[in-house]
Amino acid sequence: AQSVTQLDSQVPVFEEAPVELRCNYSSSVSVYLFWYVQYPNQGLQLLLKYLSGSTLVESINGFEAEFNKSQTSFHLRKPSVHISDTAEYFCAVIPSSNTGKLIFGQGTTLQVKP
Amino acid sequence: KAGVTQTPRYLIKTRGQQVTLSCSPISGHRSVSWYQQTPGQGLQFLFEYFSETQRNKGNFPGRFSGRQFSNSRSEMNVSTLELGDSALYLCASSLVTGAGELFFGEGSRLTVL
Repeated sequence: AQSVTQLDSQVPVFEEAPVELRCNYSSSVSVYLFWYVQYPNQGLQLLLKYLSGSTLVESINGFEAEFNKSQTSFHLRKPSVHISDTAEYFCAVIPSSNTGKLIFGQGTTLQVKP
Repeated sequence: KAGVTQTPRYLIKTRGQQVTLSCSPISGHRSVSWYQQTPGQGLQFLFEYFSETQRNKGNFPGRFSGRQFSNSRSEMNVSTLELGDSALYLCASSLVTGAGELFFGEGSRLTVL
């Protein structure tokens, strides 16, 4: 079975500051990793994904995440946040065999202050 | 291309009643997954359907059930509602089963009084 731990439930940060949202996972099999974002009163949207290849993956809006197999982590970073980045962020994992289910972490609320 | 559509968006029920929620996936997507989202438990997987067959099931009591139709539309049903069933129920679709790239609807917010 897989599990995901998001180490921070809330991360307050000032606008234009850098941010890191931490995610660790546990799995006995190889996995694919994802970050989803949920804006208020909306469903989840895929932010970025790691399937294979380069361990550093990027989104179109400036976020990046690095897969670290030895530390079983997939932290999300952004060098300079905007007010519009305020949302809840979910890390998720699924077995790479395509036979399992997508398991989410508890979520991290990013609060960007002016 | 239309996104995932969930109906109704909001509903209020009383304990003991039952509820049916509907989900229309993105055209061409054959897999539909359901999640329950609550402040305390976060996102909990309910079940996944692919080509009208349940492929995966989460750890929920038998009061929670679902089905998928030949046009890939899906419904989930909760019988004998309890206060703890109050939640946002999210539906997500994908092209294939067991996929991590899911497309979510905006959810159905159920309040049980």
